[in-house]
Amino acid sequence: GENVEQHPSTLSVQEGDSAVIKCTYSDSASNYFPWYKQELGKGPQLIIDIRSNVGEKKDQRIAVTLNKTAKHFSLHITETQPEDSAVYFCALLYSSASKIIFGSGTRLSIRP
Amino acid sequence: GAVVSQHPSWVICKSGTSVKIECRSLDFQATTMFWYRQFPKQSLMLMATSNEGSKATYEQGVEKDKFLINHASLTLSTLTVTSAHPEDSSFYICSADSRSADTQYFGPGTRLTVL
Repeated sequence: GENVEQHPSTLSVQEGDSAVIKCTYSDSASNYFPWYKQELGKGPQLIIDIRSNVGEKKDQRIAVTLNKTAKHFSLHITETQPEDSAVYFCALLYSSASKIIFGSGTRLSIRP
Repeated sequence: GAVVSQHPSWVICKSGTSVKIECRSLDFQATTMFWYRQFPKQSLMLMATSNEGSKATYEQGVEKDKFLINHASLTLSTLTVTSAHPEDSSFYICSADSRSADTQYFGPGTRLTVL
């Protein structure tokens, strides 16, 4: 069945440092892995995604890595800024049902 | 990126009444839309998958007679919470499947409070 685990649940980093959030999954047929940022009272915003045919993707300060063999993928945010404070969700496309399943979320706080 | 809107953004209703929430894809056609529910400090939980012109597919534990979904066109899906009770108070979020972009775009959410 579909399952994605996300760690840590909370993360506090000094402004300017890097933040890493990790997710593991069980459905070996999943081939699409998006990451969402959710600010208080708003819907989730897609910030980066990766498909199974690549191992890494980068967009400015944000990068995602994927290890299909080990079934885990990670979000990396470098040079963190106060506006990066939010809840981040990993997700995957559950292939057999074409639905997106979310991880439990990570509350990221950037200390000034 | 593509835009998905929801209306209303928030609603307060009395217990026992019904509430309708609209989800629209503004600049693309979506054959499939999804409805999620999010309780405070929790993740998004998929409630149902809505396909244009056919019946919705509900996730296990979601009452189809309580949460009525209609997907009448390629740009509009509606969720009606019937006979709402305080425990239905939550943040309801829709998403739309963009085949051209091969991804889903999420709406801004609707905050439902049942008194």
